[in-house]
Amino acid sequence: DGGITQSPKYLFRKEGQNVTLSCEQNLNHDAMYWYRQDPGQGLRLIYYSQIVNDFQKGDIAEGYSVSREKKESFPLTVTSAQKNPTAFYLCASTSPGLAGTDTQYFGPGTRLTVL
Amino acid sequence: QKEVEQDPGPLSVPEGAIVSLNCTYSNSAFQYFMWYRQYSRKGPELLMYTYSSGNKEDGRFTAQVDKSSKYISLFIRDSQPSDSATYLCAMGSNTGKLIFGQGTTLQVKP
Repeated sequence: DGGITQSPKYLFRKEGQNVTLSCEQNLNHDAMYWYRQDPGQGLRLIYYSQIVNDFQKGDIAEGYSVSREKKESFPLTVTSAQKNPTAFYLCASTSPGLAGTDTQYFGPGTRLTVL
Repeated sequence: QKEVEQDPGPLSVPEGAIVSLNCTYSNSAFQYFMWYRQYSRKGPELLMYTYSSGNKEDGRFTAQVDKSSKYISLFIRDSQPSDSATYLCAMGSNTGKLIFGQGTTLQVKP
């Protein structure tokens, strides 16, 4: 059963803690993405990786870190430096389409709440 | 100015109505256009994909792209309560990144 899985579904963090969100895909996609979704703001790109052992900052990378040691996995760490981490976090991966276009498929999301 | 603008709504319509959802964009480099549907507390799912100006139809859904006006639309015919969701437009170029609109929340009342 192919797809993108994210865990946990809900995550609570205390002030000053680092937490790691998991994202796994078995679609054999090369590129993976992390987005943050806040009410009324759509999806904002945090980090993306187009190949193993390489990743780039998106529009709102401050306070976050990632790794891409395996093609299937792209974990996101929300560090204590992220001042407003409460949000819905979405992971996506890309299937290359026609003429170099890419269709992104999303996981079910992780809702992070800071206590 | 944001690269992609989408009216956040909310939009409320009676069952059976025709719904029109719209996005405008400013970047001429965008080559392909998508619509995603997102139910509450779920990840977005791809609904429609197109890379050329004109119309693309899939069942009750029609995606329309007008590159000259930098305007895209999604039409839903015979809307159903199950269509109640947030609809996100997304656009991409050869960078491998997508730019998303803010999303429009739609409610279809029985």
